[in-house]
Amino acid sequence: AQSVAQPEDQVNVAEGNPLTVKCTYSVSGNPYLFWYVQYPNRGLQFLLKYITGDNLVKGSYGFEAEFNKSQTSFHLKKPSALVSDSALYFCAVRQNTGFQKLVFGTGTRLLVSP
Amino acid sequence: DSGVTQTPKHLITATGQRVTLRCSPRSGDLSVYWYQQSLDQGLQFLIQYYNGEERAKGNILERFSAQQFPDLHSELNLSSLELGDSALYFCASSVGGLAGASTDTQYFGPGTRLTVL
Repeated sequence: AQSVAQPEDQVNVAEGNPLTVKCTYSVSGNPYLFWYVQYPNRGLQFLLKYITGDNLVKGSYGFEAEFNKSQTSFHLKKPSALVSDSALYFCAVRQNTGFQKLVFGTGTRLLVSP
Repeated sequence: DSGVTQTPKHLITATGQRVTLRCSPRSGDLSVYWYQQSLDQGLQFLIQYYNGEERAKGNILERFSAQQFPDLHSELNLSSLELGDSALYFCASSVGGLAGASTDTQYFGPGTRLTVL
């Protein structure tokens, strides 16, 4: 069975500083990996995904994520954080075979201070 | 805006009651997924429909059922409601739905917040 771990409940960064939100996964076979963001009282918004190919994936709003197969990680990054990036971030995984359900991590709250 | 719509936004009801949540997928998407987000369980997959047929089941209670109609909208029916059913229910949609064949992204609706009193 697949699983996702987001080891940090909350990440605090100052505006303008780089940010990293961590994610590790466990899945049989090759993974499909996703990052979503949830703003208060809103649904989940898709940020980016890794399917295959280049280990560095670029997504929306200046976010990127690095896939590391040996460390089974898919950390979300941004070179310069904005206050408006403050939200709840979810990492998700699914297998590349079988059913398409997404398995989500517990979420990491990002707080960017001015 | 993802293009996935859900109604109602909020629902307040009493224990023992039955409610129906509705979802319209993005134009052209054939798959609909239902997820439950609660404080204690996090985000959990409930069920998937593809072009009107049930495709996969997750942690969905027997008191819950869903269907996808010919126009591809979907409804999630929750019955004999308990306090613990209070949660945010999300619908997502994607283009395809065949097992293993798709690298599709699932796009989520804004959710329906269910409060059971």
